[in-house]
Amino acid sequence: AQTVTQSQPEMSVQEAETVTLSCTYDTSESDYYLFWYKQPPSRQMILVIRQEAYKQQNATENRFSVNFQKAAKSFSLKISDSQLGDAAMYFCAYRSNNRDDKIIFGKGTRLHILP
Amino acid sequence: ETGVTQTPRHLVMGMTNKKSLKCEQHLGHNAMYWYKQSAKKPLELMFVYNFKEQTENNSVPSRFSPECPNSSHLFLHLHTLQPEDSALYLCASSQGLQGMGNSPLHFGNGTRLTVT
Repeated sequence: AQTVTQSQPEMSVQEAETVTLSCTYDTSESDYYLFWYKQPPSRQMILVIRQEAYKQQNATENRFSVNFQKAAKSFSLKISDSQLGDAAMYFCAYRSNNRDDKIIFGKGTRLHILP
Repeated sequence: ETGVTQTPRHLVMGMTNKKSLKCEQHLGHNAMYWYKQSAKKPLELMFVYNFKEQTENNSVPSRFSPECPNSSHLFLHLHTLQPEDSALYLCASSQGLQGMGNSPLHFGNGTRLTVT
């Protein structure tokens, strides 16, 4: 069975600095997708970034980028130039491309932005 | 606005009450999900519907009863709940066909449920 592990329950970063959130996963499949979701205090879960496992190039969305290491089964999220609005819970998620309805989430990392 | 609307935002109910949570999506997706989010626990998948057919039921107690009348609407009927059922209940939708793994979940704002 697939699992997703986020080993950092909480992290803090100074405003304008860079922070990296870690995520590791376990799977025997080769065709899958990985996601980072953000859940601010408003409770709305929002997609931050996604990565196709077959792509070697790391995904980037503005200040957000990932470091995808397929062999190590690692999928970390880097937030550059941190802003106060980045404060939220961040969830890493795995979705198989073979089973359409299984999406597995990690326990989340709460990110605090220090002014 | 994500295209997924949940009502109500907050619900307080006694253990003998019957209530329903509603979810509606305007994204043309064919898969809809109920998740339970409790403090310090991973998101728990409760039910999945794909083209109105239930494809997943993760050993959820029968006091939770889902209903999916069409691909745009999803309900969660609640009866004789327990205090430990208090949580945030999130609805989500996505393209759910095999080979559509890159389709992310789109979530609603959730219903904060308190069982007294």
